[in-house]
Amino acid sequence: NAGVMQNPRHLVRRRGQEARLRCSPMKGHSHVYWYRQLPEEGLKFMVYLQKENIIDESGMPKERFSAEFPKEGPSILRIQQVVRGDSAAYFCASSPGTSGRSTQYFGPGTRLTVL
Amino acid sequence: AQSVTQLGSHVSVSEGALVLLRCNYSSSVPPYLFWYVQYPNQGLQLLLKYTSAATLVKGINGFEAEFKKSETSFHLTKPSAHMSDAAEYFCAVSVEYGNKLVFGTGTILRVKS
Repeated sequence: NAGVMQNPRHLVRRRGQEARLRCSPMKGHSHVYWYRQLPEEGLKFMVYLQKENIIDESGMPKERFSAEFPKEGPSILRIQQVVRGDSAAYFCASSPGTSGRSTQYFGPGTRLTVL
Repeated sequence: AQSVTQLGSHVSVSEGALVLLRCNYSSSVPPYLFWYVQYPNQGLQLLLKYTSAATLVKGINGFEAEFKKSETSFHLTKPSAHMSDAAEYFCAVSVEYGNKLVFGTGTILRVKS
């Protein structure tokens, strides 16, 4: 059973460009979470999605960031007009259930560098 | 709201010595608690989790943690450190409804030979 897949693993963008990060959950998991890890900090929750629905986006910046999890295909985290402060590691996790006790399985992350 | 405090951003132990990584939580409702390990440039791997069953939880790689409600703690221990344990360790909390994990700031474990 393949784990959570994320691509690309490394992404370099210039200021003002768009960044698209992809996440394929584990087989059988319909719950996806995105977290951001800034240098020297822990992971911060961004958004929780189920297929075709955003359940909790309380951690998403109000502007430039969006996320989707379509019926078919991977979940996408999109950052428009990137700035240097967006440089971070972005992790996706998936879980099989909705309960807080359900384990979240993490992907290897996408490391975004904004020049 | 839930929160997690990890005391000590860096811990250094000798190979074969006891490992103790501290985690205290704050939650207004019964929490679920997790320890994850992150190796350089990799994702997070679950070590163990507490979900209101046994208060002493055993995980992978010889790690264990004890949930102490009176102390609001969930410290991670391992009797004998191995060089391969060198990594960053994160404590996290969630609750029954809400799903998101709230992480501590992490503790980097260094193991000296």
